[in-house]
Amino acid sequence: AQRVTQPEKLLSVFKGAPVELKCNYSYSGSPELFWYVQYSRQRLQLLLRHISRESIKGFTADLNKGETSFHLKKPFAQEEDSAMYYCALAGGTSYGKLTFGQGTILTVHP
Amino acid sequence: KAGVTQTPRYLIKTRGQQVTLSCSPISGHRSVSWYQQTPGQGLQFLFEYFSETQRNKGNFPGRFSGRQFSNSRSEMNVSTLELGDSALYLCASSIRGLAIRTDTQYFGPGTRLTVL
Repeated sequence: AQRVTQPEKLLSVFKGAPVELKCNYSYSGSPELFWYVQYSRQRLQLLLRHISRESIKGFTADLNKGETSFHLKKPFAQEEDSAMYYCALAGGTSYGKLTFGQGTILTVHP
Repeated sequence: KAGVTQTPRYLIKTRGQQVTLSCSPISGHRSVSWYQQTPGQGLQFLFEYFSETQRNKGNFPGRFSGRQFSNSRSEMNVSTLELGDSALYLCASSIRGLAIRTDTQYFGPGTRLTVL
């Protein structure tokens, strides 16, 4: 079975502070992991995926297979980063299915 | 490229009625997936269609059904609506349903269904 856990429902930081959104997963095979973001009144959009290993809007995420984690990090948070963040997993022959975590609402205060 | 579009954006129905939601994928995408989003359960996978065939299905009752047309557009139908069906229904398209490592799902804006 596939499962994604985001332990923090709410996360508040001040502008310029580092931020880390946690994501843990459970999957027996080799997963594909994603971070999606939903800004206020906008559609869900892909932020980054682990195979691309690129930094988007200053965010990075490293897949740690030993700890089954895929935490999202940014060294200096900006107010425009305030949004809902979802970690998601795709695996094997489960076609077209992303398993999402419950999401973390990030608020960056000025 | 135009993004994923969904119609209608808002719907109000009463218990017992049925409803049909529509999704147009990004041009060239052959896979369409549907999700239900609620505050309590979050984002849950309903089903996926590829080349007019349902390939994958989530844990929802048979009242939830879908289909896909030859142009990859998809519809989702919910019969005998219940209060608990009130949710945001999201459609997502991808080239091959995440079957290849470089594939990505792109989401539509959703249809907000309210059941009274």
